[in-house]
Amino acid sequence: GAVVSQHPSRVICKSGTSVKIECRSLDFQATTMFWYRQFPKQSLMLMATSNEGSKATYEQGVEKDKFLINHASLTLSTLTVTSAHPEDSSFYICSASGGIRTYEQYFGPGTRLTVT
Amino acid sequence: GQNIDQPTEMTATEGAIVQINCTYQTSGFNGLFWYQQHAGEAPTFLSYNVLDGLEEKGRFSSFLSRSKGYSYLLLKELQMKDSASYLCAVRDPRAGYSTLTFGKGTMLLVSP
Repeated sequence: GAVVSQHPSRVICKSGTSVKIECRSLDFQATTMFWYRQFPKQSLMLMATSNEGSKATYEQGVEKDKFLINHASLTLSTLTVTSAHPEDSSFYICSASGGIRTYEQYFGPGTRLTVT
Repeated sequence: GQNIDQPTEMTATEGAIVQINCTYQTSGFNGLFWYQQHAGEAPTFLSYNVLDGLEEKGRFSSFLSRSKGYSYLLLKELQMKDSASYLCAVRDPRAGYSTLTFGKGTMLLVSP
C-alpha cells in the first residue's frame, strides 16, 4: 500500500518550453502533496506544499509563476515548469501524505528533467 | 531557522557496523525520519522516531535524543547494497500539515 507514481520518469525539453509532471497516489487519498527538487549530490529541497482544492504554499525563493502546482483531486497533483531554462534541469520528486501512517510522506520515483 | 547536520561521506567494509549521526536545530519538531536514497532514485523510508530512545528494525536501528537534538542511524552486518545516501529529515508541524526538512545526506560507501 501507499504507492506514489510520477510521470514521466525522464523528460528532455527545449529551453523556453513548458513541461508538466504528474504525481499520483495509487491506493490512498493524499490530503497533502509535496514537491521537491534535488540537484546532483545535494539534498532534497522542498519547493511547495499543496492541499487538495487549495492553492499551493511555496517555499521562500521558489517562483510560483514559474512552477505551477495544481492539486485538483485527492490522488493527483501536477507540477508545470513554465518557460524552462537549462538551470531548471534537476531531479523533481513528489511525495504524498494521508496514508495509514499519517506521519509519513510516501515518495514517488522522481522525474529527471533536462532542459537543452 | 532550520539546520540539520550530518557527515558528508562515510566508508565501511562489508559485514561491519556503521553509525551515521545527525544533529538538528529546528523551529519545530514532530519526529525525525531516516531515508535511504540510491543514486537517481527516490528516497525510501527506513525509520521514524518521535520519542527518545532506540528503535530497532532488522539490521537498521535509529536513536533519538530530543534534548540534545541528536539522532543516529545504526547499520549492522553491512552489505554492498547498503551503499547509498542516507538522509536525516525532521518533521516540522506548521499550518495544519507537516513538512520535512532534509539534511544534505551522508553518502555511505561499503567496500568488500
